[in-house]
Amino acid sequence: DTEVTQTPKHLVMGMTNKKSLKCEQHMGHRAMYWYKQKAKKPPELMFVYSYEKLSINESVPSRFSPECPNSSLLNLHLHALQPEDSALYLCASSQGTGSSYNEQFFGPGTRLTVL
Amino acid sequence: SQQGEEDPQALSIQEGENATMNCSYKTSINNLQWYRQNSGRGLVHLILIRSNEREKHSGRLRVTLDTSKKSSSLLITASRAADTASYFCATAISTTSGTYKYIFGTGTRLKVLA
Repeated sequence: DTEVTQTPKHLVMGMTNKKSLKCEQHMGHRAMYWYKQKAKKPPELMFVYSYEKLSINESVPSRFSPECPNSSLLNLHLHALQPEDSALYLCASSQGTGSSYNEQFFGPGTRLTVL
Repeated sequence: SQQGEEDPQALSIQEGENATMNCSYKTSINNLQWYRQNSGRGLVHLILIRSNEREKHSGRLRVTLDTSKKSSSLLITASRAADTASYFCATAISTTSGTYKYIFGTGTRLKVLA
Protein backbone atom coordinates (compact mmCIF):
# COMPACT_ATOMS: atom_id res chain seq x y z
CA ASP A 1 0.00 0.00 0.00
CA THR A 2 1.74 3.17 -1.22
CA GLU A 3 -1.14 5.50 -0.49
CA VAL A 4 -1.51 8.45 1.82
CA THR A 5 -5.14 9.19 2.60
CA GLN A 6 -6.58 12.46 3.83
CA THR A 7 -10.01 13.31 5.19
CA PRO A 8 -12.09 15.25 4.57
CA LYS A 9 -11.57 16.16 0.92
CA HIS A 10 -13.33 19.49 1.39
CA LEU A 11 -14.00 21.50 4.53
CA VAL A 12 -15.85 24.76 5.00
CA MET A 13 -15.65 26.31 8.43
CA GLY A 14 -16.40 29.56 10.18
CA MET A 15 -13.82 31.55 12.05
CA THR A 16 -15.14 30.36 15.42
CA ASN A 17 -15.27 26.66 14.54
CA LYS A 18 -12.93 23.90 15.66
CA LYS A 19 -12.20 21.20 13.13
CA SER A 20 -9.55 18.58 12.43
CA LEU A 21 -7.83 17.30 9.31
CA LYS A 22 -6.72 13.68 9.28
CA CYS A 23 -3.95 11.89 7.41
CA GLU A 24 -3.06 8.20 7.38
CA GLN A 25 -0.35 6.06 5.81
CA HIS A 26 0.48 2.37 6.11
CA MET A 27 3.87 2.30 4.41
CA GLY A 28 5.79 2.11 7.68
CA HIS A 29 7.11 5.61 7.11
CA ARG A 30 8.48 7.33 10.20
CA ALA A 31 8.28 10.90 8.92
CA MET A 32 5.06 12.79 8.25
CA TYR A 33 4.54 16.33 7.02
CA TRP A 34 1.89 19.01 6.77
CA TYR A 35 2.07 21.51 3.92
CA LYS A 36 -0.12 24.48 3.04
CA GLN A 37 -0.59 25.37 -0.60
CA LYS A 38 -2.24 28.46 -2.00
CA ALA A 39 -3.45 28.60 -5.60
CA LYS A 40 -0.65 28.71 -8.19
CA LYS A 41 1.99 28.57 -5.44
CA PRO A 42 4.31 25.78 -4.29
CA PRO A 43 3.58 23.80 -1.13
CA GLU A 44 4.89 25.51 2.01
CA LEU A 45 6.10 23.32 4.84
CA MET A 46 4.23 23.72 8.13
CA PHE A 47 5.24 20.83 10.38
CA VAL A 48 7.41 17.73 10.32
CA TYR A 49 7.01 14.74 12.62
CA SER A 50 9.82 12.25 12.94
CA TYR A 51 9.18 9.06 14.89
CA GLU A 52 5.98 10.62 16.22
CA LYS A 53 7.79 13.61 17.67
CA LEU A 54 7.46 17.13 16.32
CA SER A 55 10.78 17.90 14.73
CA ILE A 56 10.07 21.02 12.68
CA ASN A 57 7.55 23.81 13.20
CA GLU A 58 7.94 26.48 10.55
CA SER A 59 6.70 29.26 12.83
CA VAL A 60 3.10 28.33 12.16
CA PRO A 61 0.43 30.30 14.11
CA SER A 62 -0.92 28.50 17.17
CA ARG A 63 -4.39 28.30 15.64
CA PHE A 64 -2.92 25.29 13.80
CA SER A 65 -2.12 22.44 16.19
CA PRO A 66 -0.58 19.22 14.87
CA GLU A 67 -0.83 15.86 16.56
CA CYS A 68 0.71 12.49 15.76
CA PRO A 69 -1.19 9.83 17.77
CA ASN A 70 0.84 6.97 16.29
CA SER A 71 3.22 6.21 13.47
CA SER A 72 0.42 5.91 10.91
CA LEU A 73 -1.73 8.90 11.78
CA LEU A 74 -1.27 12.64 11.62
CA ASN A 75 -3.88 15.19 12.57
CA LEU A 76 -4.06 18.94 12.16
CA HIS A 77 -6.40 20.64 14.60
CA LEU A 78 -7.83 23.95 13.48
CA HIS A 79 -9.26 26.66 15.74
CA ALA A 80 -10.13 30.31 15.20
CA LEU A 81 -8.86 30.36 11.65
CA GLN A 82 -8.84 33.40 9.42
CA PRO A 83 -10.12 33.65 5.83
CA GLU A 84 -6.52 33.88 4.62
CA ASP A 85 -5.97 30.36 5.95
CA SER A 86 -8.13 29.04 3.12
CA ALA A 87 -5.89 26.77 1.07
CA LEU A 88 -5.15 23.19 0.08
CA TYR A 89 -3.61 21.32 3.01
CA LEU A 90 -1.37 18.48 1.97
CA CYS A 91 -0.08 15.64 4.09
CA ALA A 92 3.00 13.69 3.06
CA SER A 93 5.14 10.90 4.42
CA SER A 94 8.62 9.57 3.83
CA GLN A 95 10.81 6.81 5.22
CA GLY A 96 12.58 9.24 7.50
CA THR A 97 14.05 12.70 7.80
CA GLY A 98 17.67 11.80 8.27
CA SER A 99 18.50 11.62 4.59
CA SER A 100 18.15 14.08 1.77
CA TYR A 101 17.29 11.23 -0.62
CA ASN A 102 13.87 10.44 0.75
CA GLU A 103 10.97 10.46 -1.65
CA GLN A 104 7.85 12.05 -0.28
CA PHE A 105 4.44 10.46 -0.81
CA PHE A 106 1.60 12.94 -0.82
CA GLY A 107 -2.07 12.59 -0.02
CA PRO A 108 -4.70 14.19 -2.24
CA GLY A 109 -5.16 17.11 0.13
CA THR A 110 -8.00 18.79 2.00
CA ARG A 111 -9.44 21.89 0.36
CA LEU A 112 -10.18 24.24 3.28
CA THR A 113 -12.40 27.31 3.02
CA VAL A 114 -12.68 29.64 6.00
CA LEU A 115 -15.67 31.95 5.93
CA SER B 1 12.82 33.12 0.02
CA GLN B 2 12.34 30.15 -2.26
CA GLN B 3 15.20 27.74 -2.66
CA GLY B 4 14.09 26.94 -6.21
CA GLU B 5 12.96 29.33 -8.88
CA GLU B 6 11.42 27.75 -11.94
CA ASP B 7 10.84 29.06 -15.40
CA PRO B 8 8.77 29.42 -17.31
CA GLN B 9 5.91 29.97 -14.86
CA ALA B 10 3.50 28.68 -17.48
CA LEU B 11 3.95 26.76 -20.70
CA SER B 12 1.41 25.82 -23.35
CA ILE B 13 2.32 23.36 -26.11
CA GLN B 14 0.69 21.08 -28.65
CA GLU B 15 0.43 17.35 -28.07
CA GLY B 16 3.50 15.59 -29.43
CA GLU B 17 5.84 18.52 -28.79
CA ASN B 18 8.57 18.51 -26.16
CA ALA B 19 8.29 20.54 -22.97
CA THR B 20 11.28 21.91 -21.12
CA MET B 21 11.17 23.53 -17.70
CA ASN B 22 14.05 24.85 -15.65
CA CYS B 23 14.83 25.11 -11.97
CA SER B 24 17.51 27.23 -10.32
CA TYR B 25 18.46 26.83 -6.69
CA LYS B 26 20.61 28.73 -4.24
CA THR B 27 22.49 26.40 -1.89
CA SER B 28 24.60 23.28 -2.32
CA ILE B 29 22.55 20.12 -2.70
CA ASN B 30 22.95 16.34 -2.43
CA ASN B 31 20.20 15.74 -4.93
CA LEU B 32 17.29 17.41 -6.66
CA GLN B 33 13.85 15.93 -7.09
CA TRP B 34 11.02 16.67 -9.49
CA TYR B 35 7.33 16.30 -8.65
CA ARG B 36 4.13 16.60 -10.67
CA GLN B 37 0.84 17.92 -9.35
CA ASN B 38 -2.42 17.52 -11.18
CA SER B 39 -4.87 20.35 -10.58
CA GLY B 40 -5.85 20.57 -6.91
CA ARG B 41 -4.36 17.19 -6.06
CA GLY B 42 -1.35 15.84 -4.21
CA LEU B 43 2.16 15.78 -5.63
CA VAL B 44 3.66 12.71 -7.24
CA HIS B 45 7.39 12.03 -7.22
CA LEU B 46 8.83 11.77 -10.74
CA ILE B 47 12.58 11.47 -10.53
CA LEU B 48 15.60 12.15 -8.32
CA ILE B 49 18.99 13.16 -9.66
CA ARG B 50 22.06 13.03 -7.44
CA SER B 51 24.60 15.83 -7.31
CA ASN B 52 27.23 13.63 -8.97
CA GLU B 53 24.92 12.86 -11.90
CA ARG B 54 24.58 15.11 -14.93
CA GLU B 55 21.66 13.46 -16.65
CA LYS B 56 18.99 10.92 -15.85
CA HIS B 57 16.19 9.35 -17.86
CA SER B 58 12.89 7.80 -16.88
CA GLY B 59 10.55 6.91 -19.71
CA ARG B 60 9.73 10.17 -21.53
CA LEU B 61 11.42 12.23 -18.84
CA ARG B 62 14.96 13.52 -19.06
CA VAL B 63 16.48 15.49 -16.21
CA THR B 64 19.78 17.32 -16.28
CA LEU B 65 21.69 18.87 -13.42
CA ASP B 66 24.42 21.50 -13.60
CA THR B 67 25.78 22.03 -10.09
CA SER B 68 28.18 24.73 -11.27
CA LYS B 69 25.21 26.80 -12.41
CA LYS B 70 22.94 25.55 -9.63
CA SER B 71 20.29 24.62 -12.15
CA SER B 72 18.31 21.65 -13.38
CA SER B 73 15.99 21.07 -16.29
CA LEU B 74 13.15 18.65 -16.87
CA LEU B 75 12.37 17.63 -20.43
CA ILE B 76 9.16 15.80 -21.28
CA THR B 77 9.32 14.34 -24.77
CA ALA B 78 6.35 13.61 -27.05
CA SER B 79 3.96 15.29 -24.64
CA ARG B 80 0.40 14.09 -24.11
CA ALA B 81 -2.72 15.85 -22.85
CA ALA B 82 -2.36 13.77 -19.66
CA ASP B 83 0.95 15.54 -18.96
CA THR B 84 -1.02 18.73 -18.22
CA ALA B 85 -0.06 19.53 -14.64
CA SER B 86 2.20 21.69 -12.50
CA TYR B 87 5.80 20.57 -12.13
CA PHE B 88 7.94 21.41 -9.11
CA CYS B 89 11.57 20.90 -8.33
CA ALA B 90 12.45 20.20 -4.71
CA THR B 91 15.69 20.30 -2.77
CA ALA B 92 16.47 19.01 0.70
CA ILE B 93 17.76 21.47 3.27
CA SER B 94 19.48 20.24 6.43
CA THR B 95 18.24 21.69 9.68
CA THR B 96 19.92 22.41 13.00
CA SER B 97 18.28 19.28 14.42
CA GLY B 98 20.09 17.11 11.89
CA THR B 99 16.99 16.34 9.86
CA TYR B 100 16.11 17.35 6.32
CA LYS B 101 13.20 19.35 5.08
CA TYR B 102 12.16 19.86 1.48
CA ILE B 103 11.76 23.20 -0.21
CA PHE B 104 9.79 23.37 -3.43
CA GLY B 105 10.46 25.62 -6.36
CA THR B 106 7.91 28.06 -7.66
CA GLY B 107 6.61 25.56 -10.24
CA THR B 108 5.84 25.48 -13.95
CA ARG B 109 2.22 25.07 -15.07
CA LEU B 110 2.22 22.97 -18.23
CA LYS B 111 -0.78 22.76 -20.51
CA VAL B 112 -0.69 20.26 -23.37
CA LEU B 113 -3.29 20.95 -26.03
CA ALA B 114 -4.83 17.99 -27.87
